Amino acid sequence: KAGVTQTPRYLIKTRGQQVTLSCSPISGHRSVSWYQQTPGQGLQFLFEYFSETQRNKGNFPGRFSGRQFSNSRSEMNVSTLELGDSALYLCASRSASPGEIFFYGYTFGSGTRLTVV
Amino acid sequence: AQSVSQHNHHVILSEAASLELGCNYSYGGTVNLFWYVQYPGQHLQLLLKYFSGDPLVKGIKGFEAEFIKSKFSFNLRKPSVQWSDTAEYFCAVNALIYNQGGKLIFGQGTELSVKP
Repeated sequence: KAGVTQTPRYLIKTRGQQVTLSCSPISGHRSVSWYQQTPGQGLQFLFEYFSETQRNKGNFPGRFSGRQFSNSRSEMNVSTLELGDSALYLCASRSASPGEIFFYGYTFGSGTRLTVV
Repeated sequence: AQSVSQHNHHVILSEAASLELGCNYSYGGTVNLFWYVQYPGQHLQLLLKYFSGDPLVKGIKGFEAEFIKSKFSFNLRKPSVQWSDTAEYFCAVNALIYNQGGKLIFGQGTELSVKP
């Protein structure tokens, strides 16, 4: 199976701008989760989407939002960027069926490195 | 709220030394447990996972972990490390709560440096 694909790999944005990141899950995986990785806070859960519905949300401000399309691809949007939003944003997918979770767990993409200047 | 604590921030070992990385979590219910590894410049990769059954689980590259429910621990071990094991290791917990299926709580990570 092809892995989780995230685009773009790198982004540089200016404070106040907005940004959209994209994630294509493994074929057949219907659940997509997003995580933020920073040296200070580590890996933090942003949200999870399953069948185009947000199932769960972490403790991030409303500037962070996401959506999932009918083909399971997901996008994450951050509006009014702040310097502190500089991070590696990771997407993870899973099939959300009990059998496959046991064998495969969660698969992560390589991430999008966002730098806010 | 659930949390995960990894005991060591940075571990330095010589090749062939034994490794044990500690991980404790706080949640009294049923959990799924994971260890992920992130090699320099690469994405997170699953080392091993525990869902149920035998509390001693074996993963890739000679790693194993033991789930001790009474201690809320899931420590990672390897009998003999190699230089290629240099990486950051993350313990993660998925609490089996209704409608929280995809949420992983990660520890802060342990950076392992193996000297040749």
